Amino acid sequence: DAGVIQSPRHEVTEMGQEVTLRCKPISGHNSLFWYRQTMMRGLELLIYFNNNVPIDDSGMPEDRFSAKMPNASFSTLKIQPSEPRDSAVYFCASSPGTEYYGYTFGSGTRLTVV
Amino acid sequence: AQTVTQSQPEMSVQEAETVTLSCTYDTSESDYYLFWYKQPPSRQMILVIRQEAYKQQNATENRFSVNFQKAAKSFSLKISDSQLGDAAMYFCAYRPFGTGTASKLTFGTGTRLQVTL
Repeated sequence: DAGVIQSPRHEVTEMGQEVTLRCKPISGHNSLFWYRQTMMRGLELLIYFNNNVPIDDSGMPEDRFSAKMPNASFSTLKIQPSEPRDSAVYFCASSPGTEYYGYTFGSGTRLTVV
Repeated sequence: AQTVTQSQPEMSVQEAETVTLSCTYDTSESDYYLFWYKQPPSRQMILVIRQEAYKQQNATENRFSVNFQKAAKSFSLKISDSQLGDAAMYFCAYRPFGTGTASKLTFGTGTRLQVTL
C-alpha cells in the first residue's frame, strides 16, 4: 500500500487566497483525521471523519476552514481566505475501524501564507 | 477530557547509551491505548510502539520498550543502544477504547531527543 498520500507537499500562497489541501487515505481505513502542527500549539486535531461522515469538527479554528470527504478515498481541507497565522504543517491521517492500530500519517503539507 | 503531558521538552543521549522519555496522562477510562510516535526532521510521523491498557506486560519493539504504570497513569519510553537515527521529536499519545467520538488520538507536546557521538 502507498500509505496516506497528501498533496501538495509544500504550498506558498498570498494572504486572502483560497488554499485546498488534499488527502487520500489508505484503502480500507474508515476514519480520517486532519491535524495542524505549529511550534506554539503542537499537534491540534481539526476535524475527523468516520465512514465519510464528519464526527467532530470542534477543532476547526474558524469558518474560514472547511473539510469534506465526498468518498472513502479522498478528503480536502480548504482555507478561504487564508491568513499568515494559518501557516503550519497540516497532516492527514487514517485509521482502520479498531483503535489498536493508531493512525497512519501522511507526509504533511507545509503551508506558508505570506 | 483526556490530557497527555510530556514534561521534558528536550533530552540528550550519547550514542549507544539508554534514554527514557516520560509521559503521563489523565483519564477516567479503564480501557484505552497508548502510543509513542517519532517525528524525524523529515516530519513524517512514525508509530514506534503501542500498549493496550488491559495488558500488564510492557510492550517491546526491538530497542524500544515502555514502562506502563496504569495506576500512576505513566507511560515512559526507553530507547536502548541509542543510534544517530533516533534523533527526532517523540510524541506520546492516548486513544480511548470505543468508536465514534471516542476514537481520536490526544497527543502530548513532544520531547525533542538529541543523540550525540
